[in-house]
Amino acid sequence: DTEVTQTPKHLVMGMTNKKSLKCEQHMGHRAMYWYKQKAKKPPELMFVYSYEKLSINESVPSRFSPECPNSSLLNLHLHALQPEDSALYLCASSQVGTGRTEAFFGQGTRLTVV
Amino acid sequence: GNSVTQMEGPVTLSEEAFLTINCTYTATGYPSLFWYVQYPGEGLQLLLKATKADDKGSNKGFEATYRKETTSFHLEKGSVQVSDSAVYFCALILTGGFKTIFGAGTRLFVKA
Repeated sequence: DTEVTQTPKHLVMGMTNKKSLKCEQHMGHRAMYWYKQKAKKPPELMFVYSYEKLSINESVPSRFSPECPNSSLLNLHLHALQPEDSALYLCASSQVGTGRTEAFFGQGTRLTVV
Repeated sequence: GNSVTQMEGPVTLSEEAFLTINCTYTATGYPSLFWYVQYPGEGLQLLLKATKADDKGSNKGFEATYRKETTSFHLEKGSVQVSDSAVYFCALILTGGFKTIFGAGTRLFVKA
């Protein structure tokens, strides 16, 4: 199984809503990532978890709150978002160790904030 | 700093034409290099990779060779198909690092 599964595929939320994005992998990877991708741009790193601990936060606003409940799951909790937060949110996973390993990406959640 | 530079698109080709997308990088140490492809409305898929100098990555008719002397990793395909229409991202990871550094992406259109 070489898949990273993200749910939901599409999400529309109001600026006062609270929602969560979910990501799951069963490749035994111990690093998991959240990326944000705007139209016609490359993905931008938001968070990295290594062995279920947050190791990188790329100065992301606190209205985005990541969580890694176990080695297979990664969540992104959303609260009080702005319309400019509308984007494709990508989850990825990779091995940990040498660091010279590729990230496997999910299909993404397309988020629209209204 | 560490960065990846790709040729600007869009690139428009006719079916069965030869494809080259240029990619150069700046990095400390010896990074691993990747090409990812993103089809419309989808996530990123790893297309090919190379982890050391002179390695050639290949997949689905695409090839790229890790050239340390020119710090390049150009993507080539001998005969493109309409189904190859997508955005292609060149990327690197530094040794011991977590962060994938992406180029800006090159959009490819292939006409029948």
